[in-house]
Amino acid sequence: DFQMTQSPSSLSASVGDRVTITCRASQGINNYLAWYQQKSGAVPKLLIYAASTLESGVPSRFSGSGSGTEFTLTISSLQPEDVATYYCQKYHSAPCSFGQGTKLEIK
Amino acid sequence: EVQLVQSGAEVKKPGESLRISCKTSGYKFTSYWITWVRQMPGKGLEWMGRIDPSDSYTTYSPSFRGHVTISVDKSISTAYLQWSSLKASDTAMYYCARSDTARVDLFDIWAQGTMVTVSS
Repeated sequence: DFQMTQSPSSLSASVGDRVTITCRASQGINNYLAWYQQKSGAVPKLLIYAASTLESGVPSRFSGSGSGTEFTLTISSLQPEDVATYYCQKYHSAPCSFGQGTKLEIK
Repeated sequence: EVQLVQSGAEVKKPGESLRISCKTSGYKFTSYWITWVRQMPGKGLEWMGRIDPSDSYTTYSPSFRGHVTISVDKSISTAYLQWSSLKASDTAMYYCARSDTARVDLFDIWAQGTMVTVSS
């Protein structure tokens, strides 16, 4: 079965820190990789698609990289409003899969 | 303004049937696919399946095929997710989201979600 695996599952960092979340696909997916942010009690929000393209309106401190099977989401300088759970998603061909999520908290 | 608005929370018993809705507005309904996503309490996002409203072509995740049905009513720009026999394990928040044919399965607009509780 195809799987998307994120690490770590949870992360605590200080305001201003550089934060990196990793997503691994069990098979190559080219760059059909998206990142979503879900704050507590809210719906998910698309941050990045095509592995590294920032969705309109998303702050530039967010960036993505990778291709094939390994991808990363980086927040260059963590802000209090970035507290959320982050999900990677393989898209473009069904069935689409989400990673299990990374819960990000402020230390 | 583009909007997806889902029907309200439901409380059902095991074995009962249910249909929840996702009413869209502010865009051409047949130009965007609608996908349903499950989120069990305290858990992550699960892609259930999607429908092309232009022709009702539907694709399901193997995990959900045979247990749910996705459909649309083009006349009222609304998509549906239905169960014929609910289980306690169907207790979850369900979201509908749209994606356009140029960005397949990228979800730019999500509805607010419908909480389904199945309990005897």
